[in-house]
Amino acid sequence: EAQVTQNPRYLITVTGKKLTVTCSQNMNHEYMSWYRQDPGLGLRQIYYSMNVEVTDKGDVPEGYKVSRKEKRNFPLILESPSPNQTSLYFCASSYGPKYEQYFGPGTRLTVT
Amino acid sequence: TQLLEQSPQFLSIQEGENLTVYCNSSSVFSSLQWYRQEPGEGPVLLVTVVTGGEVKKLKRLTFQFGDARKDSSLHITAAQPGDTGLYLCAGAPDRGSTLGRLYFGRGTQLTVWP
Repeated sequence: EAQVTQNPRYLITVTGKKLTVTCSQNMNHEYMSWYRQDPGLGLRQIYYSMNVEVTDKGDVPEGYKVSRKEKRNFPLILESPSPNQTSLYFCASSYGPKYEQYFGPGTRLTVT
Repeated sequence: TQLLEQSPQFLSIQEGENLTVYCNSSSVFSSLQWYRQEPGEGPVLLVTVVTGGEVKKLKRLTFQFGDARKDSSLHITAAQPGDTGLYLCAGAPDRGSTLGRLYFGRGTQLTVWP
């Protein structure tokens, strides 16, 4: 089954404790991206990757890191989480930005 | 700054009514996508429009891409409670430094009452 998986689905953590949210896709897509969704703000792109070892900033990259060492995986790293990073995060993959985006189920992160 | 302005933000209507959601920008897009999102889930694609002036129909939903490829609309005829959800437009810029980006509107929360 074609899918994008994210882990964990829910995470409560404390300020400053490094965390990683994993994202994996099995569709051989070149393009992967991370979004955060906050009430009234829609989906905002954090980082995107056009292919392995190629990543670039989106709208709101501050406080986040990503890596793309393999085509299928695109982890999101928060080196020192802060409460303003409390949000719902989605990973997505596709053949490119103008093609259908396949979204993961989301990760609800709370930073206290 | 929101590259894609989506309106209205909220829409609450009775079953059987018609509605239109707008997605506007001053930028040109190579494609415009419409997604629908249910609570607790990721967005799911409804349609992609790529040609200026293009009209696509999906049962009771009609999507239109502006002639200049800067705006789009979603029209629902005879809305049903099953249409309830968050509707999002997304655009991929046509050129420039933002070529790899995908921009989303803030969404329209539609509620259709029986």
